[in-house]
Amino acid sequence: EVQLVEAGGALVQPGGSLRLSCAASEFTFSRYWMTWVRQAPGKGLEWVANIDQVGNEKHYVDSVKGRFTISRDNAKNSLYLQMNSLRAEDTAVYYCARDWLWARDYWGQGTLVTVSS
Amino acid sequence: QSALTQPRSVSGSPGQSVTISCTGTSTDVGGYNFVSWYQQHPGKAPKLIIYEVSKRSSGVSDRFSGSKSGNTASLTISGVQAEDEADYYCCSYAGSPWVFGGGTILTVL
Repeated sequence: EVQLVEAGGALVQPGGSLRLSCAASEFTFSRYWMTWVRQAPGKGLEWVANIDQVGNEKHYVDSVKGRFTISRDNAKNSLYLQMNSLRAEDTAVYYCARDWLWARDYWGQGTLVTVSS
Repeated sequence: QSALTQPRSVSGSPGQSVTISCTGTSTDVGGYNFVSWYQQHPGKAPKLIIYEVSKRSSGVSDRFSGSKSGNTASLTISGVQAEDEADYYCCSYAGSPWVFGGGTILTVL
């Protein structure tokens, strides 16, 4: 069974940084685009960023451009999200998901990022 | 990158059919056949139920169906059951980014 396990969520002050990770298993990680999606408390889903199979093509939602960086290490079957200059509005559960046929077919359980002083 | 428009809530009695709409523009829903739908129960991760407008994900009941007309996609649940009570989100390709709908709460009466 495909597994995606996020880690790295924490309480961080505004302006701070955090690096999320997502460990993938039970599928050939290097064959898939991967995505980060977030969900603010009590709110809907928001697509954040995605990355191609080898890490060359990356896309971001406008609100995180210049602050967040998505990356991957295929040797470690891991996806990352480096988040800098964090704001209160970045507070959310962050999910990693596998891209498949223009959709996200497997999701992790999420990791909570809280930006507050 | 505006969110797609979904009704905030819908409801139905067991056995009834319910339809959730997802309205975008010609640059997202209307421009591509890459609409997907996700079901999310409280405290759980989203689950893919429909992809490419109308294709059911593996293991998803055939009570779930998807369609699209112009800039509006729809998810129909036939014979709604208590276990279908959840939040539902549409998602569409919109060029480089993807965009989700605001979500719809389905209540089974």
